[in-house]
Amino acid sequence: GAVVSQHPSWVICKSGTSVKIECRSLDFQATTMFWYRQFPKQSLMLMATSNEGSKATYEQGVEKDKFLINHASLTLSTLTVTSAHPEDSSFYICSARGLERSDNEQFFGPGTRLTVL
Amino acid sequence: KQEVTQIPAALSVPEGENLVLNCSFTDSAIYNLQWFRQDPGKGLTSLLLIQSSQREQTSGRLNASLDKSSGRSTLYIAASQPGDSATYLCAVGPYNTDKLIFGTGTRLQVFP
Repeated sequence: GAVVSQHPSWVICKSGTSVKIECRSLDFQATTMFWYRQFPKQSLMLMATSNEGSKATYEQGVEKDKFLINHASLTLSTLTVTSAHPEDSSFYICSARGLERSDNEQFFGPGTRLTVL
Repeated sequence: KQEVTQIPAALSVPEGENLVLNCSFTDSAIYNLQWFRQDPGKGLTSLLLIQSSQREQTSGRLNASLDKSSGRSTLYIAASQPGDSATYLCAVGPYNTDKLIFGTGTRLQVFP
């Protein structure tokens, strides 16, 4: 149980285009989903916290107009990187926290490798 | 501001050794602490979750301890194997928040 998927697993796009990444909880309902970014040889940095049916909360320094987050259902959150540039190239990982869990455990997706040319 | 540090940054050992990975955090007001494993280019695999009221958790050859007052956690790996080679991340969940603050990671290589 507690499986989180991401789609696509990798994407290459041209500078200036927008890219949408999906995060799905497959076998549980997630009230909260989190989006992280990881640059090579660095740790994960939280970008934003997404709650179903409400606006996402962004961490300091993360542009909300550039990284659009939608959490339309209890099993799906999407991250759209708008007008992507090479510096946005990174590994994006989502996680989800279950509706029923009281221990705050997060379950992580396999990540999406974004390369902007 | 919570900061999480892991020592050593990298470790290379022969197969069979018992290992200790260290994680320290600056603010002891935490809800829980998790240890993860990350293989190159992959997502995270949760290894152990310790609640703030717990002192340790065990899973197979892995044992994680938590000393909240001193801001420390250790991950003990017994009888290491080449398949244990990966980056190990610890993450703390600050009190009264859903967030996880990740450490800098320890890159482990176990050679035959």
